[in-house]
Amino acid sequence: DIQMTQSPSSLSASVGDRVTITCRASQDIRNLLAWFQQKPGKAPKTLIYDATSLQSGVPTRFSGSGSGTDFTLTINSLQPEDFATYFCQHYNGFPITFGQGTRLEIK
Amino acid sequence: EVQVVESGGGLVQPGGSLRLSCVASGFILSDHYMHWVRQAPGKGLEWVGRITNKAAGYTAEYAASVEGRFTMSTDDSKSSLNLRMDSLKIEDTAVYYCIRVARGSRSYDIWGQGTVVTVSS
Repeated sequence: DIQMTQSPSSLSASVGDRVTITCRASQDIRNLLAWFQQKPGKAPKTLIYDATSLQSGVPTRFSGSGSGTDFTLTINSLQPEDFATYFCQHYNGFPITFGQGTRLEIK
Repeated sequence: EVQVVESGGGLVQPGGSLRLSCVASGFILSDHYMHWVRQAPGKGLEWVGRITNKAAGYTAEYAASVEGRFTMSTDDSKSSLNLRMDSLKIEDTAVYYCIRVARGSRSYDIWGQGTVVTVSS
């Protein structure tokens, strides 16, 4: 199985900051990676698919980059509603696996 | 409105069975690949399985942790995706999400609100 490792596991930031979350795959997954945002008690929401494509309706302050094994999610100018947990996921074959999550907290 | 709504969760004893349903509205279920993902209390996301659309023959893939115990199926007449769960284990306790895959893509574009399954004696 492909292992997805996110870092950091948690981070604190302030409104207006730029933050970057990384996700590393244990083998080449081309660009078959998605990013999700989840708030407490809510279903996840898709932010990015195919590593760099912004899901419809998602603010442009979110962006994704990378291919192969190393990927990043960048949030520019953090807004209060962005404090949540973020997960990456590969879909380069089965089983599909997720990263362990990154909790983004208000500093 | 395009949405999927899960139901059927509840409390079941270890070894028991449960059937979850995911009803689609605002779109034709048989046109889309669909996935189930679950989340144990306080934990991360775990992929459960995927079923292709009608054109691809409703082919299913499962996570190793549920293979042989869980079965996905569709009922076109009810626009419903079903997840039959047998031989349930305590570790199957989770919120179960039904997810639509966008046509022509592998993107998860519509998530359900989830249904809670608790396996306990």
